[in-house]
Amino acid sequence: DIQMTQSPSSLSASVGDSVTITCRASHNVHSYLNWYSQRPGEAPSLLIYAASTLQRGVPSRFGASGSGTDFSLTIRNLQADDIGTYFCQQSYSSPYTFGQGTKLEI
Amino acid sequence: QVHLQEWGAGLLKPSQNLSLTCAVYGGSFSGYYWTWIRQSPGKGLEWIGEIDDSGNTNYSPSLKSRLTISVDTPKNQFSLNLTSVTAADTAVYYCARPVGYGSGSYYISWFDSWGQGILVTVSS
Repeated sequence: DIQMTQSPSSLSASVGDSVTITCRASHNVHSYLNWYSQRPGEAPSLLIYAASTLQRGVPSRFGASGSGTDFSLTIRNLQADDIGTYFCQQSYSSPYTFGQGTKLEI
Repeated sequence: QVHLQEWGAGLLKPSQNLSLTCAVYGGSFSGYYWTWIRQSPGKGLEWIGEIDDSGNTNYSPSLKSRLTISVDTPKNQFSLNLTSVTAADTAVYYCARPVGYGSGSYYISWFDSWGQGILVTVSS
């Protein structure tokens, strides 16, 4: 299985800040990398697919980059509504694995 | 806009079988690999397996010996059956739809629609 490792596991920031979450894959997943956010009590929601493409309806404050084994998600101009946990997920090789999550507090 | 809804027993005893069903409302049922994913505090998000409308399946190797995913295409539903559960199977179970582009081995996919999730607790 491809292991996905996120860092940090949690972070605290203020409204208006920018934060970056990183995701490292144990094997080359090319651009087969997706990002999700999850608010408490809700299902995950797609933010970014194919490493850098913003899902329709997601604010342009969210951006992502990377390829191969190293990826990052950046949230600019943090809003209170961005609170939650962020996950990366590889879709290169089954079983399709997720990172352990980064909990964002504001 | 597709909507997914899971249901099934939420409390099981060890050694019992877990059975969940997901209904898909709106959109096409064919052409997708309908997926089960679970989330537990200990293991995070875990991909369980998938099935298409013809019944072709792909299972997580770690669960394969206990897992059956089936489909009822006329009803736009698919189901999960996991045998001999233990406390380690306690989790919120989600059904999800992957979409993507490409063909053959160059197919990039992501989960764009999720059910609300159902908590399954295994406890004696």
